[in-house]
Formats: sequence, C-alpha cells, structure tokens
Amino acid sequence: EAQVTQNPRYLITVTGKKLTVTCSQNMNHEYMSWYRQDPGLGLRQIYYSMNVEVTDKGDVPEGYKVSRKEKRNFPLILESPSPNQTSLYFCASSPVGTSYYGYTFGSGTRLTVV
Amino acid sequence: AQSVTQLDSQVPVFEEAPVELRCNYSSSVSVYLFWYVQYPNQGLQLLLKYLSGSTLVKGINGFEAEFNKSQTSFHLRKPSVHISDTAEYFCAVSVTNSGYALNFGKGTSLLVTP
Repeated sequence: EAQVTQNPRYLITVTGKKLTVTCSQNMNHEYMSWYRQDPGLGLRQIYYSMNVEVTDKGDVPEGYKVSRKEKRNFPLILESPSPNQTSLYFCASSPVGTSYYGYTFGSGTRLTVV
Repeated sequence: AQSVTQLDSQVPVFEEAPVELRCNYSSSVSVYLFWYVQYPNQGLQLLLKYLSGSTLVKGINGFEAEFNKSQTSFHLRKPSVHISDTAEYFCAVSVTNSGYALNFGKGTSLLVTP
C-alpha cells in the first residue's frame, strides 16, 4: 500500500531533550515536507526537501532540523524542544515535477513538550 | 505570493442538509487548487483538485467544488451531508510553476448533527 509512515504517533517529552520524528514513504517520491498544525493557524511548513541531500526552510523552521540521506526517509529533529513546539506534526510527499499531484500525508505525530 | 482564506472557521449543519465551505485565494498567476479533509485523529486526505479545464470538479464522498477565476474562489459543496462528513476541511493553493509548494488555509470545521 502506498503510504507515508510517521513514528511515533504520540510523544510526550521534557524541555531540552533531543528527539527525532521519523518519516518514510514507499512511493519513490522526490519531494518531502514537514508541517505543523496548530489550532486557528492551519498547516505551516517547517522544512522541505526536493531530493536527496537537498533541503530548504519553510515558513517556520526555527528550532527544527531535517536531513535527507535517502530518498524514502525525511526525519524531523528537535535538538532542544521547547513548550512552544507542542503541536501536531505531519509529513507529506509528492512526485517530481510540480504540485500537480497534491501531497500524500502521514497520519501525524502529536508532540507535547512539558 | 499566493494565499488562501477560508471564510468560515466552523460550519454547523444538520444531517441531509446541503453545505458549502468557502475558499478564496489570491494570486496574480495561474494556480492549482485543492481541498483536503482531515477526519479526527487522522492525516489529511485529498478530496478533489482543480488543475485546468472544467471549472466544476467532482471528488470523493459526493463532494464537488467550482473554480471561479473572476471571483478567485474555490468553494466546496455537498448536496446532502452525513454524520460521517464531520471533519476539518482545508483549502490549498499552488502556483502552477512554483515547483512543489502548497499553501493551506486555516481550515473549516464541519460539524454534522442529527
């Protein structure tokens, strides 16, 4: 089944403790992206990657890192999480070309930083 | 840059009644338009998309949307809603030559009651 898989689905952590949220897709998509969803703010893009070893900042990149060493994986790293990063996070992917195809989304990761 | 405005944050409606969720966009160039649905505790799922051609687009679950270039709108409609349509709905826009970027509206919460 074609899908984007995120792990974990739920995570509670403490301020300052480094964490990684994994994202993997099995559709051979070139483009991958991370979003955060907050009430009243909709979805805001954190980082995106147009291919292996090519990443760029989205609208809200502060406090986050990403890497794209393999085509299928695009982990999101929070080196020193803070409470304002408590949010619902989504990974998405899309085939090469343009946004013509829309995105395929993962099921989300609900992160709470205390 | 293009942007999306979803005019209603919440839309309550009775079961079997018609519904319209409004979306306006701003862009000086050609766009692709999308509607996504997010059921509780799930990721986003593509409902329908407008790329070109016929301005009336039909999607899954009986939804349709009409692209109106003069009014820069892409409203989502369903003639008769079900309880199971209760969800968050997101409108998104992409400039056709922008590569990959999708800009999302802040979402409309559709609540269907008996």
